[in-house]
Amino acid sequence: GAVVSQHPSRVICKSGTSVKIECRSLDFQATTMFWYRQFPKQSLMLMATSNEGSKATYEQGVEKDKFLINHASLTLSTLTVTSAHPEDSSFYICSATPADRSRNEQFFGPGTRLTVL
Amino acid sequence: AQSVTQLDSHVSVSEGTPVLLRCNYSSSYSPSLFWYVQHPNKGLQLLLKYTSAATLVKGINGFEAEFKKSETSFHLTKPSAHMSDAAEYFCVVSATGTGRRALTFGSGTRLQVQP
Repeated sequence: GAVVSQHPSRVICKSGTSVKIECRSLDFQATTMFWYRQFPKQSLMLMATSNEGSKATYEQGVEKDKFLINHASLTLSTLTVTSAHPEDSSFYICSATPADRSRNEQFFGPGTRLTVL
Repeated sequence: AQSVTQLDSHVSVSEGTPVLLRCNYSSSYSPSLFWYVQHPNKGLQLLLKYTSAATLVKGINGFEAEFKKSETSFHLTKPSAHMSDAAEYFCVVSATGTGRRALTFGSGTRLQVQP
C-alpha cells in the first residue's frame, strides 16, 4: 500500500506556456502533500506544502503566483507551472503523508521531468 | 531549525565490500531520520527510518543505520555491496513535534559499485 502516482512522467513545453502536474495518493488519504524540485545532480528542495482544503504554504524564494498549487481532495494535489521558462526545467517530485498522523512517513511519487524549450 | 549534512558527495566501493555512507543531522526537536535511495530517473524509495525506537535500524536490501544522539549521526551501512546498489542516497530529517511534517534532505551521496 501507500502508492503515490504523478502524471505526466515527462513533459516538454514551449516557453510561456503553462503545465499542470498531478499528484495522486492511490490507496490512502493524504491531508498533506509536498512538492519538491530537483535540479540535475542536486538534492530535493521543498517548494511548498499542500494542505487539503486550504492554501498552500510556500518556502522562501518560491513564487506562489508562478507555481500554483491546488489540493482539491484528499487524494489529489496539482502543481501548475505558469508561463514556464527554460530555467523552470527540472524534476518535480511530490510526496504525500497519510491522514493517520501516527504514520510520519512520506510516500513519494515517481517524479515529473519538465523540459521548457 | 533542522539540517542534514552528508559528508561524502561520492563513494566508490568494490562489489562485495562494505558500504558506509555518512550523515550528520541537526534538529531542535526529536528527529525522525530516514535514508532514501534514488536510482537514475526514478522516484525515491525508502530504505529505512528511525523514529525514536531502537537505535539500530534495519532496512531493505541489507542496509542498516545506527542513530547516535551523542554524535548526531545516522550513518548508513551495508556489509557487502552489490552492483544494483549503485544509486544516489539521501539522508533525510523530519522534525516531529513541530506540527510541520516537511522533510529536509541532505545533498546526497552517489554510490558507485565497481565490479
